[in-house]
Amino acid sequence: QSALTQPPSASGSPGQSVTISCTGTSNDVGAYHYVSWYQQHPGKAPKLIIYEVSKRPSGVPDRFAGSKSGNTASLTVSGLQAEDEADYHCSSYGGSNNLRVFGGGTKLTVL
Amino acid sequence: QVQLQESGPGLVKPSETLSLTCTVSGVSITTYYWSWVRQPPGKGLEWIGYIYYSGSTKYNPSLKSRVTISADTSKNQVSLKMTSVTAADTAVYYCARGIGDLDDWGQGTLVTVSS
Repeated sequence: QSALTQPPSASGSPGQSVTISCTGTSNDVGAYHYVSWYQQHPGKAPKLIIYEVSKRPSGVPDRFAGSKSGNTASLTVSGLQAEDEADYHCSSYGGSNNLRVFGGGTKLTVL
Repeated sequence: QVQLQESGPGLVKPSETLSLTCTVSGVSITTYYWSWVRQPPGKGLEWIGYIYYSGSTKYNPSLKSRVTISADTSKNQVSLKMTSVTAADTAVYYCARGIGDLDDWGQGTLVTVSS
């Protein structure tokens, strides 16, 4: 059982927007501004697409946006494209003992 | 460009020790922190721990008693050892640059625990 809770699946049609949630607790997501998101295509390593809740690394399209409210972080993918079909994993700082906790991942399908 | 390459046995027997090496190119390992993350087949990611070249380490509390991460600056490598493995340790093991925000990842190596 993962420390953070994500929906197992999400879907949308090309051009639409989809939001994926990541729910933690007041000890991780709710306590710190250190939530990151990773995109993982089948058979590939994860790729960092969002860090510190809403920042994008260089080269990541602005179609990807992160936010947080209370104990829940969210990733919104706008203008869905076929190549966005992948697994998305959230991660949060979990305090000095458990530095990093992950969600179970969400499979995004572009219909 | 930073490149990471994991290597090690793909099959380990139950109760034995899993040993993996991550060879880093494009940057000195003395410049950053380095983490290990694993992913059981069809499941989510799990943080294992990190190391700084000086030897400073931090481990996932659930794995701490079985895990050791070390660094060899002369070879620009980071290593992972996990003792007393069981089938539950079957996973793709990744090394990555950083602690929280993992900017660069290796391609991962599948380790199967089976007799």
